[in-house]
Parts: sequence; C-alpha cells; structure tokens
Amino acid sequence: RKEVEQDPGPFNVPEGATVAFNCTYSNSASQSFFWYRQDCRKEPKLLMSVYSSGNEDGRFTAQLNRASQYISLLIRDSKLSDSATYLCVVMNTGFQKLVFGTGTRLLVSP
Amino acid sequence: SAVISQKPSRDICQRGTSLTIQCQVDSQVTMMFWYRQQPGQSLTLIATANQGSEATYESGFVIDKFPISRPNLTFSTLTVSNMSPEDSSIYLCSVEDRRKAVYEQYFGPGTRLTVT
Repeated sequence: RKEVEQDPGPFNVPEGATVAFNCTYSNSASQSFFWYRQDCRKEPKLLMSVYSSGNEDGRFTAQLNRASQYISLLIRDSKLSDSATYLCVVMNTGFQKLVFGTGTRLLVSP
Repeated sequence: SAVISQKPSRDICQRGTSLTIQCQVDSQVTMMFWYRQQPGQSLTLIATANQGSEATYESGFVIDKFPISRPNLTFSTLTVSNMSPEDSSIYLCSVEDRRKAVYEQYFGPGTRLTVT
C-alpha cells in the first residue's frame, strides 16, 4: 500500500464548478500536510499547507482529519488556469522528509 | 520564498557518463533536498544535504551513484554517475523555509535528464 494515496483522475469540470480532491495517508506519525500544484513539465509549487483546524486561501479550502488520516482540497469557482496536477504531500515526524502522492489531474474546460 | 535555480535545465547524456547538477539558492538555508521524478511518476526523495556533513540517503539510493556536495549554505550539487537509460528523469532540488511553524519546502525548476 502506498503511503499517500490519491485518485489519479482526471477530473474534468467546467469553468465555475466546485471540485474536491481527497487523499489518505497511512503513517499516523505524519505531522505536516501540504497540497502542491504541478503544471506540465514544471516543478511542484506549494499551494497551501494544511492545518488541523482547516484553512482557506481564496477559492481554495483544505481540511485535515487526523482520526481518519484523510486530507481534502476544495476548489470553488474553477478557472481554466486551475488545470494542473494536484499533489497531496505529507511530512513525517522528525525527518523533514516529504512523501508525495501520485497526484490528481484536474482539467477545467470552457 | 527563496529563489532557487538549477543548472543545467536539461541535458542529453550517453550511458556510462556522469552529470553534475547544480542548485543555487538566493538565501542561506540549513537543509537542501534532492528529488527525482521519473516519467509519469511523482517525486521521490534521493537525499538530504546539510552544510558541513555527509548527505543522508534514502533507501534505494547510494552515495557512489549519487554523490552530493554541500560546500556552503546557498549551494549544492548532485552527480548522477555511470548513467544508464533508467536514470532518465527530472532531478529537482528543494529548500526548507523555517520561518513558519510548519516547515514548507520550495522547489527549483528541475533538470531534465535523458540518457541514451
């Protein structure tokens, strides 16, 4: 079983739609959680850290459920420019090591 | 966040040769990381490089194949030695930002390596 699991998609949504991605992680000792965005042939860019209380940044909302070892990302009012692969990433206690999911691909169409 | 550059941005190399990839950061950072992203895959950590100490390698990666230097707090190199086509990949360095309570990592633009 992979340490971080995501639905690879693709998720095909129209502009303006709301879309949610889920991610599960297997290591209960994981301490920090992130969503990265990766465009084709580019490096991953940090979208947002995920805090225990949940956090929002504009159209993006991230939630963490430690009991279920589950992380989510909600994108509201999707834009064409949101088309990318979204990587769920966890950091394990004491190692500063990032473990990446395989990513969920989002395609936003006009 | 820190500005990170990598050289070269891409290269095509023959099997059996070695390539050294440079990573430069515009500010001093304690920890630098080297990752590999194989075609169609996600990122895998190769090693962690701290200034003044030996790099720490992840399972499946060894110093003889991927020697790393970290001569100062703004620079690191990764060498891919005795290359084979299986080494064709994107190699990325990252740095850790410790100014927040949650340490966030930022990535360089990557080096796209093709081994023929």
